[in-house]
Amino acid sequence: AQSVSQHNHHVILSEAASLELGCNYSYGGTVNLFWYVQYPGQHLQLLLKYFSGDPLVKGIKGFEAEFIKSKFSFNLRKPSVQWSDTAEYFCAVNREYGNKLVFGAGTILRVKS
Amino acid sequence: EPEVTQTPSHQVTQMGQEVILRCVPISNHLYFYWYRQILGQKVEFLVSFYNNEISEKSEIFDDQFSVERPDGSNFTLKIRSTKLEDSAMYFCASSRFGQSDTQYFGPGTRLTVL
Repeated sequence: AQSVSQHNHHVILSEAASLELGCNYSYGGTVNLFWYVQYPGQHLQLLLKYFSGDPLVKGIKGFEAEFIKSKFSFNLRKPSVQWSDTAEYFCAVNREYGNKLVFGAGTILRVKS
Repeated sequence: EPEVTQTPSHQVTQMGQEVILRCVPISNHLYFYWYRQILGQKVEFLVSFYNNEISEKSEIFDDQFSVERPDGSNFTLKIRSTKLEDSAMYFCASSRFGQSDTQYFGPGTRLTVL
């Protein structure tokens, strides 16, 4: 069965630190990859997505992610975090012709000001 | 910017009772979804719906669950006889197209079964 692993459940960073959140998936076929974010008290919002093409994807608020097919990974990065990036981040995957999103467990990021 | 809305935000019910969770998807979207997240666990897919039919469902989505689009705007999830283990946050989502288009999520309904 398809599964998604996020390596860190809680991450605490100081403002201006760099961020990398790991995501690995287990599915051998063609996949579509997503990072969603949930700010405190708000709903899940799309940060960025990868369907095809350039494996380095840029999203909103300065986030980017790199798809490495050989490693089944889609890690999220941001060079310099801000206090307002405090949120829970979810990696999600679906198959090329599927509707179902399979989510990772989420990573709670706390940025100290 | 259009958003998916859900009502109620919190529902408390007794075990064995029926509940209906309501969602209003984004107006020009054609695909609708329900997910749930039990406290401390992953967000799990329940069902997808297109053209007035279920297009995919998970093993969680058994005979106790049903979905309906009763009119042109609402999309509902009914749980016929709630169990304690149905306590969770239920998220509705919609997308313009299927096949991997971005899904937009509502704020969720927290269901508590006593």
